Amino acid sequence: AQKITQTQPGMFVQEKEAVTLDCTYDTSDPSYGLFWYKQPSSGEMIFLIYQGSYDQQNATEGRYSLNFQKARKSANLVISASQLGDSAMYFCAMREGQSDKLIFGTGTRLQVFP
Amino acid sequence: DTEVTQTPKHLVMGMTNKKSLKCEQHMGHRAMYWYKQKAKKPPELMFVYSYEKLSINESVPSRFSPECPNSSLLNLHLHALQPEDSALYLCASSEETSSTDTQYFGPGTRLTVL
Repeated sequence: AQKITQTQPGMFVQEKEAVTLDCTYDTSDPSYGLFWYKQPSSGEMIFLIYQGSYDQQNATEGRYSLNFQKARKSANLVISASQLGDSAMYFCAMREGQSDKLIFGTGTRLQVFP
Repeated sequence: DTEVTQTPKHLVMGMTNKKSLKCEQHMGHRAMYWYKQKAKKPPELMFVYSYEKLSINESVPSRFSPECPNSSLLNLHLHALQPEDSALYLCASSEETSSTDTQYFGPGTRLTVL
């Protein structure tokens, strides 16, 4: 079974609009971390935001916020005021307990148009 | 500073060549990782080093040989590669290996095997 599911292969958004990228996860471990990364065409994986399973508040980092719904096992990324430079592949990832492994979803390609 | 550096940025090699990829971080992180990423796919974990000891080898063929000379450096030695090994090779580091530790990635090395 997929541990991380990103159901949107591609998304389009107009500049200055907000966009939500979906991510659902599956784990029985009570302790886990959820991460979002951005990968532009240059290839570098850029860390955006982190949410811990015990965090009470949704994480925010500048224009990025994470809509964490623990009971639904979803961790959607919200990008506000989209910019052309936000066009990239976005990966949701999870790390369980004391595991060394970061499990990635299949990614969502976001394209921002003027 | 969350910088992980990788050299070279691009590498073209023949199937009989021996080459090495280098990764460096000066964040005091004790865990370092090698990933392989094929086009339009998420990164796949290859190796994990924790406190300079190999903790995970994801059944990677022996033509890939990792080395961690010290806590800041991680090498990947390549020998007798196949064309299907052509990919983006990403290095990452994190403070330790728990679920709360963010992995920071380098810019990657684009490897082409002829």
